[in-house]
Order: sequence, then C-alpha cells, then structure tokens
Amino acid sequence: DVKVTQSSRYLVKRTGEKVFLECVQDMDHENMFWYRQDPGLGLRLIYFSYDVKMKEKGDIPEGYSVSREKKERFSLILESASTNQTSMYLCASRDPADFYEQYFGPGTRLTVT
Amino acid sequence: AQSVTQPDIHITVSEGASLELRCNYSYGATPYLFWYVQSPGQGLQLLLKYFSGDTLVQGIKGFEAEFKRSQSSFNLRKPSVHWSDAAEYFCAVGLTTSGTYKYIFGTGTRLKVLA
Repeated sequence: DVKVTQSSRYLVKRTGEKVFLECVQDMDHENMFWYRQDPGLGLRLIYFSYDVKMKEKGDIPEGYSVSREKKERFSLILESASTNQTSMYLCASRDPADFYEQYFGPGTRLTVT
Repeated sequence: AQSVTQPDIHITVSEGASLELRCNYSYGATPYLFWYVQSPGQGLQLLLKYFSGDTLVQGIKGFEAEFKRSQSSFNLRKPSVHWSDAAEYFCAVGLTTSGTYKYIFGTGTRLKVLA
C-alpha cells in the first residue's frame, strides 16, 4: 500500500514564525502536491511538484514556498506565518501512470496565533 | 472554467436508509472522476473512480457511483447507510489543460447518520 506521512498532525505557531510542513511518500511517486482545506471551500492546491527540484504554483501559492530535494520528500514552507494561514494542510502523491489517482496523507492541522 | 459542484453542504439520514450524494462537473470533455471520504481528523480515502467503460462503478464500503454524461454528473450512492459512514465526502475531477495536470475538488458534503 502507498503510504504518505506528514511530520505533524497538529501544530501551533506564532504569527511571523517560519513554518515547515514535511511530507514523505514511500512509493517512488514522481508527483507530489500540497493542498489547503478550509470549511466550505474544499481542497485548494497550493503547490505541486512533477519531479525532484521541480515545482509549479497551484491556485493559492501566495505566502507559501516549497522544496523538493529528494523524490520522496516534499516540504511546504510558510515564510512568515499569518493567522489567515490557520488551516488543515494535506499532502498527496501520484504516479503519473496511475490515471490521476492521488494518495493522501493524514493532514496537518496548523493553528497560527 | 472547470468546476465541481456539490450542491448539498450537509445531509442527514437515518441508519439503514439509502443515500445519494450529488456531484456535477463543468468540463468540455469527460474527465477522470473520483469520490473521496474524509473521517474526522483524517486524510482523504479514495472510495471509487471512473475513467471509462461501464458508467456504474463500484467502490469500497458498499458505495457505488454512476456517471451520466448528459447531466455532467457523478452521484454517489449507498443502499443502506451505517453509522460509521458519517464523514465528509468529496467529489473530484482529474483533467489536463494546456499540458498541465489538474485535480479539482468540490466543496464537500458532510454526512450525519442518525441512530
């Protein structure tokens, strides 16, 4: 089974802090994604990566950056956390040959105070 | 623009009753279609998917969905709901535009099951 893990289930940070959210997948998938989930808005794509060192902006990239130095790991970075970034963050991975199916991690609920 | 609509934000059903969750999409061609379930505090789990062929697809946990091209719909059904089905359900489409892969989610339907 594909396994996607995220470094923290719950995280509390202060405004202005730099925040790192880590995601690791164990199936050698080329594609990885970061989503943000908010009530009534569903999942919105922040960034995605087709392969190592490659990244593309999603629908809401402002205030975020990403890093993919190794195939299995995709990091989301909040350069200066703000209260409006309080949300649930979901990581996903995908094998491009697998007809678009994505595999999701358990999520990180981030609270910025 | 491509979009996915789940018109019901909340649905409440009694245990043992049948269930139908609605999903409509807007896209020029037939996309790849998915239903995911999210239990409280958890990530998303794939229930079923449609790519081509038989328009009635079976998934896990007794769920099924029917693709209707004429209505641009992909509604999720279950004949008899169990209390453990209480969760949030997301419809999603996978498509490629301008060479870029995209995955668009609906806003979700939260299911409550009455004992």
